[in-house]
Amino acid sequence: DTGVSQNPRHKITKRGQNVTFRCDPISEHNRLYWYRQTLGQGPEFLTYFQNEAQLEKSRLLSDRFSAERPKGSFSTLEIQRTEQGDSAMYLCASSPLGQGQTYEQYFGPGTRLTVT
Amino acid sequence: GDSVTQMEGPVTLSEEAFLTINCTYTATGYPSLFWYVQYPGEGLQLLLKATKADDKGSNKGFEATYRKETTSFHLEKGSVQVSDSAVYFCALRMAGGGNKLTFGTGTQLKVEL
Repeated sequence: DTGVSQNPRHKITKRGQNVTFRCDPISEHNRLYWYRQTLGQGPEFLTYFQNEAQLEKSRLLSDRFSAERPKGSFSTLEIQRTEQGDSAMYLCASSPLGQGQTYEQYFGPGTRLTVT
Repeated sequence: GDSVTQMEGPVTLSEEAFLTINCTYTATGYPSLFWYVQYPGEGLQLLLKATKADDKGSNKGFEATYRKETTSFHLEKGSVQVSDSAVYFCALRMAGGGNKLTFGTGTQLKVEL
């Protein structure tokens, strides 16, 4: 069990460019979550997957954001036409899912995005 | 909607002092409650949790009791160490709804010798 990994750890981009982040969850974790954390704030939920299905999206997730988890393993989060307000830490978390129970989320180290 | 309110930081304490970080919540039902800790340069780690009223979560000398009557989940530790310096987040999770977490804004703790 190597934990949740995220790449890249840091990304600097110019306004208007597209960026893509990757998250590799703990193996065999069915659920995968994306959160966004801005400076001085707690993480805010963006979206989550159960296996390859995206089951919920926050209103924070504008049309410029898209997330995928094509084979139910790793996930990508893409931001198109980045804006300075997108600068934040993007966190990924995963959890297993058992019948009738919910399990804890394990967080990755995050990808820090800076839009200049 | 559901929300979590934490005391603002930073909180600065001397080593071996008593710690309290206040957390209150607003929720339409009966959430599970959590404290997460974020050490510098690291990801969020679950510190402790409580899933129903009057439950006490504990870990590494930290404790928090789920108080339904006051909608609170205050974090306490009897004797802090320099190594406890970190940002602490209180969070709630409602049953169903995909298990997503709602976090407070975080409280930075600095412990000095």
